[in-house]
Amino acid sequence: DQQVKQNSPSLSVQEGRISILNCDYTNSMFDYFLWYKKYPAEGPTFLISISSIKDKNEDGRFTVFLNKSAKHLSLHIVPSQPGDSAVYFCAAYGGNKLVFGAGTILRVKS
Amino acid sequence: KAGVTQTPRYLIKTRGQQVTLSCSPISGHRSVSWYQQTPGQGLQFLFEYFSETQRNKGNFPGRFSGRQFSNSRSEMNVSTLELGDSALYLCASRQYGQGMDEQFFGPGTRLTVL
Repeated sequence: DQQVKQNSPSLSVQEGRISILNCDYTNSMFDYFLWYKKYPAEGPTFLISISSIKDKNEDGRFTVFLNKSAKHLSLHIVPSQPGDSAVYFCAAYGGNKLVFGAGTILRVKS
Repeated sequence: KAGVTQTPRYLIKTRGQQVTLSCSPISGHRSVSWYQQTPGQGLQFLFEYFSETQRNKGNFPGRFSGRQFSNSRSEMNVSTLELGDSALYLCASRQYGQGMDEQFFGPGTRLTVL
């Protein structure tokens, strides 16, 4: 059973526009959520995180929103840049385990 | 400071063989975790080691095992390889007790099982 789901395998966005990546989770024990970015031939790198006691966290062009009642989080990238093209993984932490989603491929077209 | 290194980067094996992958964490990091990445499944947690002891384990069969040495380097072993074991194997290190946002990943070992 997939406890963390990223239902969009891919997303294509024009440079300068907003990219919105979505993630759903099922386990109420998760209390910390992270987004990672992965380029080909490299390991994932941490991007931004949010604790379950917050509903928003912002870092530059990246903002993560958490809706606990809906068990949903989203990553907003504004404005999107071609260098943002990568695979984005959502991850949830709870019970000493980090559970990842399947990833969303983001393509930012110039 | 050097990052997490993994060797080898690429590996081709046949069904039934066994394989050992190596991970050297960032200097000073004593926790090493292993993940399997397959298309459509994302990253799945295999196990975490700290101070040469397995601290946490994911839902993988006993064919997957690991160990950690006193210098914090870690190895992962897969015995009796199956076609479905073809994947990118990632290791990540952090200082034990630090948050997951302080976890750094290596580039991975791409294992292909024929």
